[in-house]
Amino acid sequence: AQKVTQAQTEISVVEKEDVTLDCVYETRDTTYYLFWYKQPPSGELVFLIRRNSFDEQNEISGRYSWNFQKSTSSFNFTITASQVVDSAVYFCALSRTDSWGKLQFGAGTQVVVTP
Amino acid sequence: SQTIHQWPATLVQPVGSPLSLECTVEGTSNPNLYWYRQAAGRGLQLLFYSVGIGQISSEVPQNLSASRPQDRQFILSSKKLLLSDSGFYLCAWQPPLSSGNTIYFGEGSWLTVV
Repeated sequence: AQKVTQAQTEISVVEKEDVTLDCVYETRDTTYYLFWYKQPPSGELVFLIRRNSFDEQNEISGRYSWNFQKSTSSFNFTITASQVVDSAVYFCALSRTDSWGKLQFGAGTQVVVTP
Repeated sequence: SQTIHQWPATLVQPVGSPLSLECTVEGTSNPNLYWYRQAAGRGLQLLFYSVGIGQISSEVPQNLSASRPQDRQFILSSKKLLLSDSGFYLCAWQPPLSSGNTIYFGEGSWLTVV
C-alpha cells in the first residue's frame, strides 16, 4: 500500500522567511511519481511539480525548490523568501506509474505567511 | 488551451435529498476524468475515475455514483445524501495517453449536508 505523510499540520512564518514543507512517502514500487499541489483559499488545487522516482535531481523554480531523496523516501518543498500570496495548503502526493491519475495524497500542510 | 469547470460551486442540501455535481472539460478529447473528495481538515480521496464514455470505476464504497454521458462531461450523483457526504468535491482531468499521471483540478464544489 502507498502512504504519504505530511507531519506538519500548520507552519506560520513572517514574510521573507524561508519555509520547508516535509513529505515522507511509503511505497513498494520501484518506479513512481511524486507531486506537490497548492490549494489557496479559493479551493482549487494548483499543480506545482511532478518528479519521477528515477530522477533524483533537485529542482528550482523561482522561489520554489524541491529536494528529493530516495534513500530517505522524502520529497521536501522549500519556499524561499515567502510572500503573503504563498499562504495556502500544500499537498504532497504519490502515484504508481501505471495507475493513471490515481494519486495518494498526504493530509496537507497549511502555510500562513504574515506581513 | 484546456479548461475544466464544475458546478455548482457551493450548495447546502438536506439529508435524504438528491445530489448532482457536474464537471466539463474543454479543449481536449477523450480525457481521463476523476472525482476526488476532501473532507474537512483532511487530504483528498479518489472517489471515481473514468477513461471513456460510460466507463466508471469506483475506488471506495459509498453513497455516491458517477456517470459519464459524454466525452467531456462527468457527473457525480447521489439519490439520498448523508451527513457524511459533506465535503469539498473536486473534478480533475488528465490528457489521454499521457505519461506522468499529472492531473489538473477544477475549482471544486463545497457541499454541506444539513
